[in-house]
Amino acid sequence: QVQLQQWGAGLLKPSETLSLTCGVYGGSFRGYYWSWIRQPPGKGLEWIGEITHSGSTYYNPSLRSRVAISVDSSKKQFSLKVTSVTATDTAVYYCAGGIFGDFVHYWGQGALVTVSS
Amino acid sequence: DIQMTQSPSAMSASVGDRVTITCRASQDISEFLDWFQQKPGKVPKRLIHAASSLESGVPSRFSGSGSGTEFTLTISSLQPEDFATYYCLQYKSYPYTFGQGTKLEI
Repeated sequence: QVQLQQWGAGLLKPSETLSLTCGVYGGSFRGYYWSWIRQPPGKGLEWIGEITHSGSTYYNPSLRSRVAISVDSSKKQFSLKVTSVTATDTAVYYCAGGIFGDFVHYWGQGALVTVSS
Repeated sequence: DIQMTQSPSAMSASVGDRVTITCRASQDISEFLDWFQQKPGKVPKRLIHAASSLESGVPSRFSGSGSGTEFTLTISSLQPEDFATYYCLQYKSYPYTFGQGTKLEI
């Protein structure tokens, strides 16, 4: 059974870069699709982007200019970077993944990232 | 982008009630739709995959139906633990998009 565990800095100042990593345990890594999703406090869920098993990336247009998702297959990890953060980037960030057609089967535990001066 | 419109955005119901939540897509998404339940401070839990496939371990009072542009999540007999917020998610095309959520209250 695949389990996802995520980590990263929880408090940032405006203009800094958000960096989160998600580790994949207990199952396969290759051939999977890996996503990031976020949820501002008291609001709904927003899909940020995905990296496919072949390394192709797809991003939400609302964030595309500031977001990068990458993988390190040797460590069975994938990462999210969001540059030039502002208070509107304050949210709980989730990593998620799955096989083709079942892209968000597995979820990480979530990580609150707060942007404040 | 495909817009997902959920209705209602909030509703009140009682234990034992039958509840239906609707999600409408702005274009045909076939059956590429999941339903999630989220309780405060918790990770979203997937209830339904591919419009109508019940996740393992999810009570049979939950069911999903629909294809194309209109989908429903039905809870046949509400239990106290079902009071939560529900979201639909389309993954037919990028960017994947969630509905705005339906808050189900007592």
